[in-house]
Amino acid sequence: ETGVTQTPRHLVMGMTNKKSLKCEQHLGHNAMYWYKQSAKKPLELMFVYNFKEQTENNSVPSRFSPECPNSSHLFLHLHTLQPEDSALYLCASSQGGAGSQETQYFGPGTRLLVL
Amino acid sequence: AQSVSQHNHHVILSEAASLELGCNYSYGGTVNLFWYVQYPGQHLQLLLKYFSGDPLVKGIKGFEAEFIKSKFSFNLRKPSVQWSDTAEYFCAVKDTDKLIFGTGTRLQVFP
Repeated sequence: ETGVTQTPRHLVMGMTNKKSLKCEQHLGHNAMYWYKQSAKKPLELMFVYNFKEQTENNSVPSRFSPECPNSSHLFLHLHTLQPEDSALYLCASSQGGAGSQETQYFGPGTRLLVL
Repeated sequence: AQSVSQHNHHVILSEAASLELGCNYSYGGTVNLFWYVQYPGQHLQLLLKYFSGDPLVKGIKGFEAEFIKSKFSFNLRKPSVQWSDTAEYFCAVKDTDKLIFGTGTRLQVFP
C-alpha cells in the first residue's frame, strides 16, 4: 500500500459514455500526476497538478479532462473516448511540489477498456 | 527534451544468475535518475534513485545502480536474482517537473 488509491480498478466503457477516474493520496503530498501506460510504450505523463494548479498538459486530447479540487484528490473525466485510449491510467503524487527532487509514489492504476 | 532508452525488452534468467539492465538517457547536465519496479498485479514502486553524491546507489532487495555521467547511463544490477524478482523494471529521468520513463524491461526468473 503506497498511500495512493485509485478507483475504479477496472473500467469498460463505450465511445459515447462519460466516466471519471478518481485518485486519492493519503500522504500529504503537494503534487499529483496522471500517466498513461500502454502496451510496449513508455509511461506517458498526461497532467501535472502542483498545489492544486495545473502546471502541465502534455498535449493531451480534450476528451480527457482533469480536475483537482484539493491537494488530496485528483480526477480524470473521460468522454467520447476512442478504442486507442484503452490503457492503464496511473496516478502518482509527490511531496514538495512537482519541480522538487521528491520521489513520485504511484497508485495501482485503473485498467480502461474502450469499446 | 529528455528521453530514456532501455535496451533489453525481455530478459529471462535462472535463479542465482547475475542481472544487469541497461538504461541510457539522452542528454547531460544535472539529472535525477530512478528505477521503478512493477511486480505482477501490483503498483509501480521505487527501487532506487540517484540525485547526487556517490554514483553507486544501493536500493531495496539487493539492487544497485551505477550512474556513469560520461556514458549517460544508469544501469541496474543485482548479483544473484531470485524468482521473486520477476517483474517489469522501468528506468526514469526527471526533466524539470516531469518523470520521463523508458519502455520497461520485463524480467522473468525461473527456479
